Amino acid sequence: DAKTTQPPSMDCAEGRAANLPCNHSTISGNEYVYWYRQIHSQGPQYIIHGLKNNETNEMASLIITEDRKSSTLILPHATLRDTAVYYCIVRVSGYALNFGKGTSLLVTP
Amino acid sequence: GAGVSQTPSNKVTEKGKYVELRCDPISGHTALYWYRQSLGQGPEFLIYFQGTGAADDSGLPNDRFFAVRPEGSVSTLKIQRTERGDSAMYLCASSLAGGIQETQYFGPGTRLLVL
Repeated sequence: DAKTTQPPSMDCAEGRAANLPCNHSTISGNEYVYWYRQIHSQGPQYIIHGLKNNETNEMASLIITEDRKSSTLILPHATLRDTAVYYCIVRVSGYALNFGKGTSLLVTP
Repeated sequence: GAGVSQTPSNKVTEKGKYVELRCDPISGHTALYWYRQSLGQGPEFLIYFQGTGAADDSGLPNDRFFAVRPEGSVSTLKIQRTERGDSAMYLCASSLAGGIQETQYFGPGTRLLVL
């Protein structure tokens, strides 16, 4: 699977949009970009995934650049409960998610 | 509907003992995965089951670790002769099938502490 690079930590004010970047410059054409998050002491929670097109669901939006070498996860109105570690994962095989270290997002009041 | 469940939520054992960790996947999910997460790190893959068989056990660290899924549903991760370095969060996930677009849904984990 392609390697991903994420900032180790980010802050965001409550109510503002949180934009979490991810670089995956070695991604290949059939690799999906997945985002999970992990709130302290809980299991990872699936957020969203995409291949080429931008995606949106009730939790977040995923913006993938045209060359697919980077993506951004957007939480449109961050709340304190969004404080978590966010993992960007590029996936080609059917299993074995490679989580890396992720971005620790702190949402402040 | 019910998500992935794991029992126990916490397990404390002594070095050298045997432990079993249980995972109940989402009903109907044929694929099941085990991961291990050390403090401050992301989860690391251990083993993947498709149905009853282990399709990939390349992540198991050594032969003290073993997992089974005899009826294609519940899975048990077994650790023999536990060591202090085995202390970690053990996470189970399941997906409808094993394909690349199949989202893995995780349980709450079992926190294992080996004294």
